[in-house]
Amino acid sequence: QVQLQQWGAGLLKPSETLSLTCAVYGGSFSGYYWSWIRQPPGKGLEWIGEINHSGSTNYNPSLKSRVTISVDTSKNQFSLKLSSVTAADTAVYYCARGVVVVVPAAPYYYYMDVWGKGTTVTVSS
Amino acid sequence: DIQLTQSPSFLSASVGDRVTITCRASQGISSYLAWYQQKPGKAPKLLIYAASTLQSGVPSRFSGSGSGTEFTLTISSLQPEDFATYYCQQLNSYPRRWTFGQGTKVEIK
Repeated sequence: QVQLQQWGAGLLKPSETLSLTCAVYGGSFSGYYWSWIRQPPGKGLEWIGEINHSGSTNYNPSLKSRVTISVDTSKNQFSLKLSSVTAADTAVYYCARGVVVVVPAAPYYYYMDVWGKGTTVTVSS
Repeated sequence: DIQLTQSPSFLSASVGDRVTITCRASQGISSYLAWYQQKPGKAPKLLIYAASTLQSGVPSRFSGSGSGTEFTLTISSLQPEDFATYYCQQLNSYPRRWTFGQGTKVEIK
């Protein structure tokens, strides 16, 4: 059974860089896209970006200038860095496994089926 | 970018009620979206993918349907453990971007 374990600093000052890591246990690292999603207090889910095992990335345009997602396949881990944080970046950050299924001559479908437990990150001076 | 709008944003219902949540896309989705359940302090949990396929282990009282611009999540008989917030999600291929609806909170009447 695949599990995601995430960790990283929970309290940051404005202008610092947020850094989180997610480790994948019990399953293959290749063949999936690995995402970061965040949820500000009392608000909805916002996708930050994703990476696959070969290091190909996609980012949310609203955060792209500050986000870097990287992968360490030797450890089955992927990481998030978000620079120049402000109070608006205060949120619970989740890592998740993304699955995309392409069926010939049919609509593709997708989902995020495995999630980390979340890391609360607070930005405060 | 495709926007997903869920309705209602909030609903109050009783145990045993039939509940329907709608997710509308700002333009036609040439794919099938997913639904998640999130309880306070917990990560979202996948309920349905490909618009109508139940994830393994999810009770059969949950069902999904729809295509194009309108999708629905139905709970046939609301149970106490179903009080939670529900999100729809779609994946845009080009540019590749995952998007969530704003959420629907289901509370006890």
